Amino acid sequence: NAGVIQTPRHKVTGKGQEATLWCEPISGHSAVFWYRQTIVQGLEFLTYFRNQAPIDDSGMPKERFSAQMPNQSHSTLKIQSTQPQDSAVYLCASSLDAGGGYEQYFGPGTRLTVL
Amino acid sequence: GDSVTQTEGLVTLTEGLPVMLNCTYQSTYSPFLFWYVQHLNEAPKLLLKSFTDNKRPEHQGFHATLHKSSSSFHLQKSSAQLSDSALYYCALSENNNAPRFGAGTKLSVKP
Repeated sequence: NAGVIQTPRHKVTGKGQEATLWCEPISGHSAVFWYRQTIVQGLEFLTYFRNQAPIDDSGMPKERFSAQMPNQSHSTLKIQSTQPQDSAVYLCASSLDAGGGYEQYFGPGTRLTVL
Repeated sequence: GDSVTQTEGLVTLTEGLPVMLNCTYQSTYSPFLFWYVQHLNEAPKLLLKSFTDNKRPEHQGFHATLHKSSSSFHLQKSSAQLSDSALYYCALSENNNAPRFGAGTKLSVKP
């Protein structure tokens, strides 16, 4: 089991460019979560999917962030017109069904730097 | 809504002394509480999860007890080790909602 896979591990973009982050959850896990981590804000929830359906995107900045899960093996987080304040580590996590609470397995993260 | 409050900022201990990191929560339902540990340049990893039957989860010498009366799930260890230096997050999961995390507590263990 390779664990949650995130690519790329590092991404540098210029202000105003687009960034697409990829996540491959653990096989068999039905829930996929995206978080943003910064020193100041800690771990901020962005959005999550269950059985590929979007369930809660209450943490997503509305205008420039979007997430999709086109199949059970990957999810993407897209940031349009990136801004310096978007610089952070973006973490993807997956989990089995929530019957006993979501025990999350995190990927290594993508460190996004917006210049 | 649900929320998690942790011991803020940095906790510095001398090796061998006991560890206690506080976590309190607000929840409408009966939540599951978790502790995650994140070492430098690594992903957060699950350390402990609360049980529903008052059992006390333990892992790597750490333990935590869910006290519903005080809405707390404090993390404890009898003797800190240098390798325990890390960032610790308390998280709450309820009613099939995505887990929410506290602000994190950085533990630094010195020789």
